[in-house]
Amino acid sequence: QVQLVQSGAEVKKPGASVKVSCMASGYSFSSYGINWVRQAPGQGLEWMGWISPFTGNTNYAQKLHDRVTMTTDTSTNTAYMELRSLRSDDTAVYYCARLKAPSAIVGAFDVWGQGTVVTVS
Amino acid sequence: DIQMTQFPSTLSASVGDRVTITCRASQSISNWLAWYQQKPGKAPNLLIYKASSLETGVPSRFSGSGSGTEFTLTISSLQPDDFATYYCQQYESSSRTFGQGTKVEIK
Repeated sequence: QVQLVQSGAEVKKPGASVKVSCMASGYSFSSYGINWVRQAPGQGLEWMGWISPFTGNTNYAQKLHDRVTMTTDTSTNTAYMELRSLRSDDTAVYYCARLKAPSAIVGAFDVWGQGTVVTVS
Repeated sequence: DIQMTQFPSTLSASVGDRVTITCRASQSISNWLAWYQQKPGKAPNLLIYKASSLETGVPSRFSGSGSGTEFTLTISSLQPDDFATYYCQQYESSSRTFGQGTKVEIK
């Protein structure tokens, strides 16, 4: 079935970097954009950015654009999100999510990963 | 950035109740709006896209309406499985934004 499986929990020191992976299966990885969304403890959802696995084009949230890099590896059907210069307020659950429509740049997110807990302390 | 304001932030209701959640955009987003349900410790689940289109597999008691700046999610008859937090999300602008969430609690 269509699914996104993310890497395991991470604990990082302030100032360090973290790289979270998101492996897709059950569909044509290159055809659907991947978004990253995070959720701080007890808080709402925050969109971080989008990447097209087909073109490599990205669009990052303005708040994070100088600290985040999103990449994909089409040979392994995996998307990556790297966040640098970590601060305590980056502590959150990080989700990858697929765009519903193929070849779309925008849209609703129909398939989500299980989430990766990143703790900065 | 387009701001999304949801209300109420918390809603207490009973099984069988009709429930309505409102989401307001700071500027027109046409019908580029989605609704998600999230349960504790789980990823969000898509319910509605393009303001009123029901996602495959989502029960028909969920419906969405609205366009421009004002949108609603309605649950026609609340079921025990529906107690959760609901988020709206706009995808009209290059920077997607979510509402702050509405928690539906048992009355």
